Amino acid sequence: GQQVMQIPQYQHVQEGEDFTTYCNSSTTLSNIQWYKQRPGGHPVFLIQLVKSGEVKKQKRLTFQFGEAKKNSSLHITATQTTDVGTYFCAGQSSGTYKYIFGTGTRLKVLA
Amino acid sequence: DTGVSQDPRHKITKRGQNVTFRCDPISEHNRLYWYRQTLGQGPEFLTYFQNEAQLEKSRLLSDRFSAERPKGSFSTLEIQRTEQGDSAMYLCASSPSRTEAFFGQGTRLTVV
Repeated sequence: GQQVMQIPQYQHVQEGEDFTTYCNSSTTLSNIQWYKQRPGGHPVFLIQLVKSGEVKKQKRLTFQFGEAKKNSSLHITATQTTDVGTYFCAGQSSGTYKYIFGTGTRLKVLA
Repeated sequence: DTGVSQDPRHKITKRGQNVTFRCDPISEHNRLYWYRQTLGQGPEFLTYFQNEAQLEKSRLLSDRFSAERPKGSFSTLEIQRTEQGDSAMYLCASSPSRTEAFFGQGTRLTVV
C-alpha cells in the first residue's frame, strides 16, 4: 500500500537556525498538504501543493513539491521558539479521497 | 465557536464495551474525515464522507468500526467490542472542498 515517509524523525535546532523536513511517497501524488501539530494539540493546516515543481512561501516557511510529485519539503528560515511542534505531510493519490499522513518530524527549538 | 467540535474529549471504557463518538463539522463543510492517531505517529485515515455518503473506508478498519453521517451534518463513529489496541486519539476533520481540512480537538479513547 501507499506509504509516506518523512525525515528526519527529530530535529533540535538553536533559535535562528534553519530547518528542513523531507517527505517521500511510494506512489505519485495528486496533491500534498502540510500540517503542524503542537504538543497536546491537533493538526493545523499549513498549505496544499498541487502542481509539479510548485514552490510556495508563507513568511519564513517555504514549501516545495517535487517534479515527479512523489516528494516534498518544508524549509523554515531562522526558526523561532513558536515553530516548535511536529510537522506532517499528507499525500493524496488520484482516484482516492484519503490522505496518507507521513511519519512526522518533531522540531525542538532551543532558545 | 465555529470550529470542528468533538464529543466527548476523553473516554475510558472497559474492554468489550461499545463506544460512540460524535463530530460536529464546521457549518456548510460537506467533506468529513475520521482519523486515528497514536502517540508519536501521524493520523491514520479511517473513513471519508461527502455530505451523507460514505465514499471511502480504510481497508485496515475492522468491521467493529462503523461511521455515519445521517443528514450530512454531524457524524458518529462507533467502535463495538473495544480492544486495548483501539486506545488512541480519534480525530475528525471537515473541509469545504478539495483543499484544507480543519481538525477538531479529538476524542482520546482509553480501553482498560
